[in-house]
Amino acid sequence: KQEVTQIPAALSVPEGENLVLNCSFTDSAIYNLQWFRQDPGKGLTSLLLIQSSQREQTSGRLNASLDKSSGRSTLYIAASQPGDSATYLCAVLEYGNKLVFGAGTILRVKS
Amino acid sequence: DTAVSQTPKYLVTQMGNDKSIKCEQNLGHDTMYWYKQDSKKFLKIMFSYNNKELIINETVPNRFSPKSPDKAHLNLHINSLELGDSAVYFCASSQGTGKETQYFGPGTRLLVL
Repeated sequence: KQEVTQIPAALSVPEGENLVLNCSFTDSAIYNLQWFRQDPGKGLTSLLLIQSSQREQTSGRLNASLDKSSGRSTLYIAASQPGDSATYLCAVLEYGNKLVFGAGTILRVKS
Repeated sequence: DTAVSQTPKYLVTQMGNDKSIKCEQNLGHDTMYWYKQDSKKFLKIMFSYNNKELIINETVPNRFSPKSPDKAHLNLHINSLELGDSAVYFCASSQGTGKETQYFGPGTRLLVL
C-alpha cells in the first residue's frame, strides 16, 4: 500500500529565505508526482507535476525534483514571501490512476 | 470564471439525515473525482468517474452514492449521515483518463451534529 510522508510537518521561516520541503513515497510504481498548495478554507491549487520519467520541473520561484528509484521528491522555494504561507501537499499518482496524498507541510513565512 | 464549483460551501445537519453535494466543472474535462479531507487534514480519494462511468471506488460505505448525469457534473449523495462523516469534501476534475493535473473545487464543509 502506497504511503506518502512529508517532512517537516510545519516550518516557519523569515521572509527572503530559500527553503526545501521533502516528500517520500514507498512504492515507486507511479505515473507522476504532484505538488499542491492549499490555503486555509480553500481548495487545492496545483503547483507542479513531474512525470515519472522526469527529474525536475520549475515554475517561477518553485523547483520540484523527483528521484523515483529512491522514492523522494523535494520542493524548493526561492526567496520566500509572506504570500507563500500555506499548506503544501505532495501526491503520487499510482497505477490505477489513484492520487495518494501526504499529510502536508504547513509553511509560515514571516515578514 | 469558476473552473470547478461545489454547492453548498457549508452544510450543517443532524445525524440520520440524507444530504447531497453538487459539483460542476466547466473545463471540458473527462474525469471527475470526490475526495474526503478528515480532521487530521489527510486527503483520500473516494470515487472517480470518466465520461460518466465509475472507474475508482475506494472502500467507502455504501451510504455514499455518487451520480454523474453528464461528464460536467458529479454529485455526491450521502444517506443516514453519521458523526464520522463530518469532513471537508472536495470535488476535482482532470483531462483524459486521470494522469493529468487535477483541478480542485473549493470544498464543502460538512458538519454532522
